[in-house]
Amino acid sequence: GIQVEQSPPDLILQEGANSTLRCNFSDSVNNLQWFHQNPWGQLINLFYIPSGTKQNGRLSATTVATERYSLLYISSSQTTDSGVYFCAVERPGTYKYIFGTGTRLKVLA
Amino acid sequence: DAGVTQSPTHLIKTRGQQVTLRCSPKSGHDTVSWYQQALGQGPQFIFQYYEEEERQRGNFPDRFSGHQFPNYSSELNVNALLLGDSALYLCASSSGTGALYGYTFGSGTRLTVV
Repeated sequence: GIQVEQSPPDLILQEGANSTLRCNFSDSVNNLQWFHQNPWGQLINLFYIPSGTKQNGRLSATTVATERYSLLYISSSQTTDSGVYFCAVERPGTYKYIFGTGTRLKVLA
Repeated sequence: DAGVTQSPTHLIKTRGQQVTLRCSPKSGHDTVSWYQQALGQGPQFIFQYYEEEERQRGNFPDRFSGHQFPNYSSELNVNALLLGDSALYLCASSSGTGALYGYTFGSGTRLTVV
């Protein structure tokens, strides 16, 4: 089956710093989302981005489907950005997300 | 516009018992998927319901079953609970295949089996 690897697994930042999270996947996908899981467990949708680049405030994401990776950029990080970031992919002809290994982010005040 | 609603939020059950979890999809969505997330892990796909039928199933035993109602809401049933079933259960809704706009997740039901 498809493998979805995220890096780095853990990241500690000072408030105000920038960061880049990476998601590599081993096969073609037709659907990709980035989520932030807050301490209460809710998966908050950040981007639906099977290809191309999107921006939303301090966050932006880029997916290069032909090279099988996606990047999530966080600028001017805040303590509320802390939590676990997951990318999830869906293969053509399937109806399920395969989640990546996650990046645990901690932003210090 | 209400998002995905799950109930209950927390639940404690005894080993061997049965449990039913409920999910109401986001308005306008007709497809419901269920995921299990063990502590420290990423969510794992259980199954997806579309048009009241199970469209796809993940690698979970038959103790896990589901249902979708005509109003698109869904239930997840787990029989003969094991300690290892303790997890956060997440419901996700989408429109059709989800390939156009992605999936919206609920806040989850945290199940503890003792």
